[in-house]
Amino acid sequence: GNSVTQMEGPVTLSEEAFLTINCTYTATGYPSLFWYVQYPGEGLQLLLKATKADDKGSNKGFEATYRKETTSFHLEKGSVQVSDSAVYFCALSDLRTSGSRLTFGEGTQLTVNP
Amino acid sequence: GAVVSQHPSRVICKSGTSVKIECRSLDFQATTMFWYRQFPKKSLMLMATSNEGSKATYEQGVEKDKFLINHASLTLSTLTVTSAHPEDSSFYICSALSEGSIEQYFGPGTRLTVT
Repeated sequence: GNSVTQMEGPVTLSEEAFLTINCTYTATGYPSLFWYVQYPGEGLQLLLKATKADDKGSNKGFEATYRKETTSFHLEKGSVQVSDSAVYFCALSDLRTSGSRLTFGEGTQLTVNP
Repeated sequence: GAVVSQHPSRVICKSGTSVKIECRSLDFQATTMFWYRQFPKKSLMLMATSNEGSKATYEQGVEKDKFLINHASLTLSTLTVTSAHPEDSSFYICSALSEGSIEQYFGPGTRLTVT
């Protein structure tokens, strides 16, 4: 079956620090990969996505590259801000094996201090 | 961008009563909607998938008679928690998908507290 593994949190950084949140996946097909962000008390917002190998998704300074050889989709940002404090979820969907259902990682809590 | 709303955002109900949560896609037609449950500091647990005009598909372990899902139109799905108990207290989130798309758009969530 499909699964997503994220680096465990919580992650605490100072403002302007470099961020990496690791994400690896297992899939029987050829999945699309996503990063979602959840601010306190809210639903999830799509941060970025990639649909094929070597695609790079980017948004709001965040980036992630679909690496088929390492089955990874690590999230990076060069300089985090206090407003980036949230929970980040890595997810995949595999239309061929599980339709449009999303498989989520456990989430990584990020706290950015001023 | 695509907007999904949920109503109510918070609800408190007494044990044994039923509560209905609405999920609406505001600016697109959602052929598929999903209902999730999220426990504190945990990931989302998919409860069911609903396609417009057909019965919902429930995940293993989710009681279909307790969590009634209706997707009567392309912009509205409802989740009714019947005979609610304190253990049903949780954060319920819906998402919506338009035909041919791979991106799910999430609602802001509904905090249910059963006393």
